[in-house]
Amino acid sequence: DGGITQSPKYLFRKEGQNVTLSCEQNLNHDAMYWYRQDPGQGLRLIYYSQIVNDFQKGDIAEGYSVSREKKESFPLTVTSAQKNPTAFYLCASSIRGLAGVGELFFGEGSRLTVL
Amino acid sequence: ILNVEQSPQSLHVQEGDSTNFTCSFPSSNFYALHWYRWETAKSPEALFVMTLNGDEKKKGRISATLNTKEGYSYLYIKGSQPEDSATYLCAFNRNRDDKIIFGKGTRLHILP
Repeated sequence: DGGITQSPKYLFRKEGQNVTLSCEQNLNHDAMYWYRQDPGQGLRLIYYSQIVNDFQKGDIAEGYSVSREKKESFPLTVTSAQKNPTAFYLCASSIRGLAGVGELFFGEGSRLTVL
Repeated sequence: ILNVEQSPQSLHVQEGDSTNFTCSFPSSNFYALHWYRWETAKSPEALFVMTLNGDEKKKGRISATLNTKEGYSYLYIKGSQPEDSATYLCAFNRNRDDKIIFGKGTRLHILP
């Protein structure tokens, strides 16, 4: 089945450690996105990539890094510079960059807790 | 700052009743309005993407309308069923090359 796979589902990290969240899609979509959800807030865009080897900062990119070496994969690294990393992270993809009029397809999310 | 407002934040509806909720967005520039359903422990999934003023879309018991001139969209659910319990997200973008902005969602609980 085509879709988006995020891993791990749950992750615990000690303060000061970097952690990488995986996102893989087999939908042949050009664009991929990372969102963050915090209680009582809407989804906020961290980074997005419209094409392989290209990515752009979203609204809350500080303390995060990404790479897009393959069309299928868009891993997100939460660095120790991210001041409040405990959150729920969602990866999404769309056929066109920034969705155009195309819908977003989402993974099931990764919950990161910093101890 | 562009804001997408959804109301109400939370809603309890008796099974079998119909319901609706609202998404408000800036009307000055408009490209597309999205509705997503997000069930607990699952991925958000798209319900509708609407682009034209006056658009009405329907999927089973769920329908949506769009008014781009006044900046709002309604989502309607007819004859609510337990499987309709979810968070409904509205999202908007001003133009094709702009990012999608999400509202905080409406959490719908269907009471048996």
